[in-house]
Amino acid sequence: AQSVTQPDIHITVSEGASLELRCNYSYGATPYLFWYVQSPGQGLQLLLKYFSGDTLVQGIKGFEAEFKRSQSSFNLRKPSVHWSDAAEYFCAVGPPDGGKFQFGAGTQVVVTP
Amino acid sequence: GAVVSQHPSWVICKSGTSVKIECRSLDFQATTMFWYRQFPKQSLMLMATSNEGSKATYEQGVEKDKFLINHASLTLSTLTVTSAHPEDSSFYICSAKSPSGRTDTQYFGPGTRLTVL
Repeated sequence: AQSVTQPDIHITVSEGASLELRCNYSYGATPYLFWYVQSPGQGLQLLLKYFSGDTLVQGIKGFEAEFKRSQSSFNLRKPSVHWSDAAEYFCAVGPPDGGKFQFGAGTQVVVTP
Repeated sequence: GAVVSQHPSWVICKSGTSVKIECRSLDFQATTMFWYRQFPKQSLMLMATSNEGSKATYEQGVEKDKFLINHASLTLSTLTVTSAHPEDSSFYICSAKSPSGRTDTQYFGPGTRLTVL
């Protein structure tokens, strides 16, 4: 069975500091992995995705993620956070046929001055 | 990029009434749409998969008679919450998959906030 685990429910980071959000997955085949961001009361915005190839993926808003098959991880990073990065972040895994996504529980990011 | 809209963006209704939420793919045809439900500070839970012209497939534990899904065209799916009760209050998000078959072609709507009084 497929599953996605985001171990950190809540992270507080200072503006300008680096940020890393963890995501671990369990999937029976090659996973298609995604990171989404959700601002309060809003829908989901895709930050980046990994299908194959280079395991370091660049996304929008200065985010990047690294796929590590040996660790079943797809961690999201940003070198220097901005106050506008405060939001909920979801990791997701999906099958190649565009079918059902499995979402992680989400990580709430709070940015302090 | 592809755009998915939802209408209304928020709705307040009385207990016992029915509410219809629309999900539209604005610039592409969606053979499959998905409906999710999100409670405050929780993740998205898939409710059902909607395929154009056929019956929706509901996830375990989702009442199909309460959450009616119609996917009448390649650009429109509707979710009707029948006889709504306060526990149905939630954030409902749809996504639409374009027919290319690749996972990256699933696009999410902005969500609809339902409050049942």
